[in-house]
Amino acid sequence: EAGVTQFPSHSVIEKGQTVTLRCDPISGHDNLYWYRRVMGKEIKFLLHFVKESKQDESGMPNNRFLAERTGGTYSTLKVQPAELEDSGVYFCASSQDAGGRETQYFGPGTRLLVL
Amino acid sequence: AQSVTQPDIHITVSEGASLELRCNYSYGATPYLFWYVQSPGQGLQLLLKYFSGDTLVQGIKGFEAEFKRSQSSFNLRKPSVHWSDAAEYFCAVYTNDYKLSFGAGTTVTVRA
Repeated sequence: EAGVTQFPSHSVIEKGQTVTLRCDPISGHDNLYWYRRVMGKEIKFLLHFVKESKQDESGMPNNRFLAERTGGTYSTLKVQPAELEDSGVYFCASSQDAGGRETQYFGPGTRLLVL
Repeated sequence: AQSVTQPDIHITVSEGASLELRCNYSYGATPYLFWYVQSPGQGLQLLLKYFSGDTLVQGIKGFEAEFKRSQSSFNLRKPSVHWSDAAEYFCAVYTNDYKLSFGAGTTVTVRA
């Protein structure tokens, strides 16, 4: 069974540019999560999809971030325009169901550097 | 709010020596606790999890963790580390609203 995949693995962009990150969850997983780790800080929750619906987007930093999950399959996270403080590692995770007993399976992350 | 603290930012251990990583949680009820590991270039991999019952939890790669309610701790241990255990380790607690709250992580360096 394929795990959670993310693309690209690395991205270097200039301030003001747009970047789109993609996450493909494990097949059949309705729940998809985005997390971010800014340099030297904790991994922080960004948002949670259940199928194509946003269940919780309380962790999204501001309106420069837009997440979508078309058809309840893969998800994209767009940053437009990117700022220096957006640099970090963006993780995607998925789980079959939501709830504390459900394991969230993480992808390898996308390392974003904004110059 | 539920949270975890990992007091040690970096630990260096000799190959073959024992390892213990500390994690303290803040939560009113019985927490759902997790340890994840991130090896260089890899994603976060679940080592083990605790929900209830036996307070000593066995995980993958020879790791175990002990839940101690009286100390609000969930420390991770391994009796004998291997060079491949060099990685960053994260303790996490499940919050009531479907997300994980992570500690800052502990980087483990293994010396020969």
